[in-house]
Amino acid sequence: QSALTQPASVSGSPGQSITISCTGTSSDVGGYNYVSWYQQHPGKAPKLMIYDVSNRPSGVSNRFSGSKSGNTASLTISGLQPEDEADYYCSSYTSSNTLGFGGGTQLTVL
Amino acid sequence: QVQLQESGPGLVKPSETLSLTCAVSGHSISSGYFWGWIRQPPGKGLEWIGSIYHGGKTFYNPSLKSRVTISLDTSKNQFSLKLSSVTAADTAFYYCARHNPSYNFYYMDVWGKGTTVTVSS
Repeated sequence: QSALTQPASVSGSPGQSITISCTGTSSDVGGYNYVSWYQQHPGKAPKLMIYDVSNRPSGVSNRFSGSKSGNTASLTISGLQPEDEADYYCSSYTSSNTLGFGGGTQLTVL
Repeated sequence: QVQLQESGPGLVKPSETLSLTCAVSGHSISSGYFWGWIRQPPGKGLEWIGSIYHGGKTFYNPSLKSRVTISLDTSKNQFSLKLSSVTAADTAFYYCARHNPSYNFYYMDVWGKGTTVTVSS
């Protein structure tokens, strides 16, 4: 059972925008601005896409953006491209000095 | 740039201890940052196992804490994971990673490629 709740799957057509939600509690997502998002292609290691809720590491496309409202964080991908098809995981620092992950969301680009 | 490489036995017997090592290149682990282990059972999501600071302080997932030890070997610039009393539920792909910012483990910015561990007799 994951600490954070994500939809199992989302889909979109090329060029469209999609949003993946990540719901936690006031002890994790809602209590800290330390939410991160990871992209994982099959057979590959996860890749950091967003950190500290809305910051992009160098080299990550500006089509990826993050936000947070209350206990729910969101990852938005605009201008969907075929290579965006992957699994996406959110993570948050918690009040127990631990890291929690969401169960993951499979993104399908139709 | 910083690179991480996991190594260790791919097959461990039930009730034994799983031992993995993560070799770090491009950065001295004794000079800063947290270093962590994350695992992913086949077809499932990511699970944080624990992390260690360059000074040796550790933080563990409460669900695994009684069985986990993470340690540093600064002479070899590597850190290690030991997970005792393993069962089939510990079968997973195991990743090592560097955390950021340097003073805490809020997120992972550099990952190893991972290594698969199967628990079976």
